[in-house]
Amino acid sequence: GAGVSQSPSNKVTEKGKDVELRCDPISGHTALYWYRQSLGQGLEFLIYFQGNSAPDKSGLPSDRFSAERTGGSVSTLTIQRTQQEDSAVYLCASSLVQGTAYEQYFGPGTRLTVT
Amino acid sequence: LAKTTQPISMDSYEGQEVNITCSHNNIATNDYITWYQQFPSQGPRFIIQGYKTKVTNEVASLFIPADRKSSTLSLPRVSLSDTAVYYCLVGERGGSQGNLIFGKGTKLSVKP
Repeated sequence: GAGVSQSPSNKVTEKGKDVELRCDPISGHTALYWYRQSLGQGLEFLIYFQGNSAPDKSGLPSDRFSAERTGGSVSTLTIQRTQQEDSAVYLCASSLVQGTAYEQYFGPGTRLTVT
Repeated sequence: LAKTTQPISMDSYEGQEVNITCSHNNIATNDYITWYQQFPSQGPRFIIQGYKTKVTNEVASLFIPADRKSSTLSLPRVSLSDTAVYYCLVGERGGSQGNLIFGKGTKLSVKP
């Protein structure tokens, strides 16, 4: 079946512009996660959704970052007034149920470059 | 979430067995140990998960001692395609904690 998909695969934007990153999880997966990975670094947790609600927003780096999920499916991560330090690969993952130990299926990521 | 510690990098040669050890001294009773593999320009991929003793699948084996304060991922007869970053994670099923702390992982380089 189809895996997790993300769009766009690459995004180049100018500093100060807003960007929207999209994630389509595996059908039927109730949990959805966003991570960020800077070059040569590990994954940094941003936010997760259980259904349409986000119990844990502690990983969002600043109030310029927000995310939503609608219909228990597609999620959008929005970064307002982008800064150069926002440049990274943004990864989305989904799992059948919420819980740290449940297998997460990752998408290919969106590479964001802020110039 | 229990913090994990693993080597930053390891080198190996094709055909050798590779063992990557992860320390998790503060592991909780309900925690499972999970390993992910990440190739360049791809998202991580689940490899194996265990709670205690030994787990084996078609890709790897996971050894967990009785005190569960560490675990060892064993990759038999590695090939060049096993060059990747390997992450050890510890966490429970269910509950309200949803995130995974991946850390920097262990970068495995397999040479011919």
